[in-house]
Amino acid sequence: DQQVKQNSPSLSVQEGRISILNCDYTNSMFDYFLWYKKYPAEGPTFLISISSIKDKNEDGRFTVFLNKSAKHLSLHIVPSQPGDSAVYFCAALENNAGNMLTFGGGTRLMVKP
Amino acid sequence: DAMVIQNPRYQVTQFGKPVTLSCSQTLNHNVMYWYQQKSSQAPKLLFHYYDKDFNNEADTPDNFQSRRPNTSFCFLDIRSPGLGDAAMYLCATSRDRSGGRPQHFGDGTRLSIL
Repeated sequence: DQQVKQNSPSLSVQEGRISILNCDYTNSMFDYFLWYKKYPAEGPTFLISISSIKDKNEDGRFTVFLNKSAKHLSLHIVPSQPGDSAVYFCAALENNAGNMLTFGGGTRLMVKP
Repeated sequence: DAMVIQNPRYQVTQFGKPVTLSCSQTLNHNVMYWYQQKSSQAPKLLFHYYDKDFNNEADTPDNFQSRRPNTSFCFLDIRSPGLGDAAMYLCATSRDRSGGRPQHFGDGTRLSIL
């Protein structure tokens, strides 16, 4: 049973436009949600996170939105740049479960020049 | 500067031949994790150490073991690798086990089984 799902395996966006990556979850006990970016042949790199008590967190070009009632979060990248092309993983954790991350399957973002 | 270092980056072993993957960290983090990631799938947690306390995931096969001789190093031992164990193995660290602290990942070791 997948508790964190990323239903779009890939997304293609033009440079300068907005990229929106989506993530759904089923476990209402999750306290934090994180986004990681992964380039080929490298490990995942932490990008941005949000606590379950918030509905928005912004860091430069990256904004994460959380809709708890819908059990849905999204990562917005504005403006998208070719260097943003990577696989993006959504992850979630329960504070009382030892900081263990549950990952989604990833979305491959391609930003075209 | 790399903070979580995994060696080797690529490892080839024979079916049934024990193999050890290594991870070191310069962050002085209390927690170290091992994940298995198969092609186009989400990373799957195998186990973690909180300081010297070992925590195994319920569905991690007995074939997989781990050692943490000190804060900086953690090893993944696969006693008798099968073809299904070919994967990317990711090591990660975090300062603590609470507060939503992000995990920091190494670049992984890609394991191939002949």
